[in-house]
Amino acid sequence: QVQLVESGGGVVQPGRSLRLSCAASKFTFSSYSMHWVRQAPGKGLEWVAVISSDGITKHHADSVKGRFTISRDNSKNTLFLQMNSLRSDDTAVYFCARDRTLIPVVPIFQHWGQGTLVTVSS
Amino acid sequence: AIQLTQSPSSLSTSVGDRVTIACRASQDISSALAWYQERPGEAPKLLIYDVSSLESGVPSRFSGSGSGTDFTLTISSLQPEDFATYYCQQFDSYPLTFGGGTKVEIK
Repeated sequence: QVQLVESGGGVVQPGRSLRLSCAASKFTFSSYSMHWVRQAPGKGLEWVAVISSDGITKHHADSVKGRFTISRDNSKNTLFLQMNSLRSDDTAVYFCARDRTLIPVVPIFQHWGQGTLVTVSS
Repeated sequence: AIQLTQSPSSLSTSVGDRVTIACRASQDISSALAWYQERPGEAPKLLIYDVSSLESGVPSRFSGSGSGTDFTLTISSLQPEDFATYYCQQFDSYPLTFGGGTKVEIK
């Protein structure tokens, strides 16, 4: 059973930084593209970023481009999201998610973590 | 970015009813559409991908149809566990986008 466990959320002041982690297990982490998706309180889902299996190719949503950076450590089966210059509208539950298939690489979210809450407030 | 517009945003219905949720894309996305279910306090769950392919373990009362810009999720006979919020998602191009969601509530 694929497991994705996010951590690193909390309360942070506007303008500060936070790094989220997602520990993966029960599958070959290094073979799959991985994503971050967020959900503001009472709102819908918003895709944030994707990283290829080898960590080379990345895409970020316009709303976080230049502030957030997705990365991974395949030796530790861990996905990261470095969040800088945080704003109040970044307040959300952040989920990590795994692509459905190895090949082809298609960004459909088959497995999700339970999420970690980030609250940006002074 | 490709925009997805879901309708209705909410609906009140009863167990046993047939439910249809629409998702319209701002441009042609071929068959690059998935549907998710989200229950309160839980992570989203993949229901359907490639417009009409049922994810393993998902009951056959769920079905999807459409192509190009107009898509539909149908629940043939609503069960108590189906009261949830449903989202469509396009994977034709980055940035990936979701519809605004449809909340299915008990009448």
